[in-house]
Amino acid sequence: AQKITQTQPGMFVQEKEAVTLDCTYDTSDPSYGLFWYKQPSSGEMIFLIYQGSYDQQNATEGRYSLNFQKARKSANLVISASQLGDSAMYFCAMRETSRGAQKLVFGQGTRLTINP
Amino acid sequence: KAGVTQTPRYLIKTRGQQVTLSCSPISGHRSVSWYQQTPGQGLQFLFEYFSETQRNKGNFPGRFSGRQFSNSRSEMNVSTLELGDSALYLCASSFDSGQETQYFGPGTRLLVL
Repeated sequence: AQKITQTQPGMFVQEKEAVTLDCTYDTSDPSYGLFWYKQPSSGEMIFLIYQGSYDQQNATEGRYSLNFQKARKSANLVISASQLGDSAMYFCAMRETSRGAQKLVFGQGTRLTINP
Repeated sequence: KAGVTQTPRYLIKTRGQQVTLSCSPISGHRSVSWYQQTPGQGLQFLFEYFSETQRNKGNFPGRFSGRQFSNSRSEMNVSTLELGDSALYLCASSFDSGQETQYFGPGTRLLVL
């Protein structure tokens, strides 16, 4: 079974600093997808970034980038120039696919607080 | 394009009652998945529907059921509610059932008293 581990329950960062949120995964499938979602206090899960296991380059989306180290099975999220609005829960997830059906397996999340 | 919508947003029920939650996916999306989020268990997969068929099911009791209509809208039902069913229920949609990103709705917060 696939597993996602996020070892940082909470992080506190000063505004405008860069922050790295850790995520390690475990899977025996050669093909997989990794996602990061942001969940503000309102509850909605907001898609941030995606990395496929066969992608040659690290994914980037604006201020978000994914530091993908396949051999170490890690997929850390890097947020550059953090903003107060970045304060939220962040979840790393892996897509598990079986005979066309899919589901996401989530880590426990990291609560990020940006201080002014 | 409108995002995933879920109704109702908040719900209070008592033990033993049943509840039905609704999810309308992004236009054109045919896969709808449901997740339960609780402080203790985190985010857990409930089930996935694609073209009106349940394609995948998580490890939940039979009290949890769902269905998908021809317009891809989905409902999930929980019968004989228990206190532990109090949670945020999130619906997600994707274009297809394979390699697409899932986009989530705002969720339904269910409180069971």
